[in-house]
Amino acid sequence: QVQLVESGGGVVQPGGSLRLSCAASGFTFSSYGMHWVRQAPGKGLEWVAFIRYDGSNKYYADSVKGRFTISRDNSKNTLYLQMNSLRAEDTAVYYCAKGAGTGGARFDYWGQGTLVTVSS
Amino acid sequence: EIVLTQSPATLSLSPGERATLSCRASQSVSSYLAWYQQKPGQAPRLLIYDASNRATGIPARFSGSGSGTDFTLTISSLEPEDFAVYYCQQRSNWPPGYTFGQGTKLEIK
Repeated sequence: QVQLVESGGGVVQPGGSLRLSCAASGFTFSSYGMHWVRQAPGKGLEWVAFIRYDGSNKYYADSVKGRFTISRDNSKNTLYLQMNSLRAEDTAVYYCAKGAGTGGARFDYWGQGTLVTVSS
Repeated sequence: EIVLTQSPATLSLSPGERATLSCRASQSVSSYLAWYQQKPGQAPRLLIYDASNRATGIPARFSGSGSGTDFTLTISSLEPEDFAVYYCQQRSNWPPGYTFGQGTKLEIK
C-alpha cells in the first residue's frame, strides 16, 4: 500500500532553515509528480510546491517562491523541501502528497504531516 | 490566480440528511476539480476527482457534479463518520499552480 512518511519538522528561529523529507513506498515513486501542502494551525490547506516525476519542472506558491526549494531523489524514493529564510507565517503542518492525473492535478495519497514551528 | 470560494462555511445537519456543498471558481476551470475530506488530527483524504469521479474506496453516497465555475459535492445520506471539513481544489495550467477553497465544516446538528 502507498505510504508517505514525512520527517524533519521542528522549531526554528525566524530567518532560519529547515529541510523536510518524505519517504515514499508502495508505488513507483519515479513515475509520479509529488507535492508539498501545508496547513497553519486552525487554518485551511495551502499548496506549497510541485515537482514532476523526473524533476524537470518545479512550481511554487508565490508565498514561498525564492525561499523554498523542492527536490527529489528517485534512487532513494524520497522527496525533499528545503526551507530558507523562514518566517512566523510558515508555521504549519507540512504534508507531502502524491500527485495523480495530468500534471499531478490531484493529491491521491497524503503523509501524516510534520509540524514546523517558526518562533524565537 | 483562480480563487475557489466554498459555501456555506459551516453546515449543520443530522445523520441521514442530505448534504450539498458548493465550490465556485473566480474563472472557468478545467475538469481538474477535486474534493477532499479532513477529520481533526488527520491528513486530508481524496473523495472526488475530475469533478465527478469517486476516488478508490469512497462510498457511493458521495458524488460530485459541475463544470465551468460551479461545482457541488453531495452526500446523499449522512453517516456519523461524514462530519468533517471538506475542501475543493483545482489545478491551473497558467500560471502553473494548485489552489484550495477555504473549506466547509460539516457539523452535527
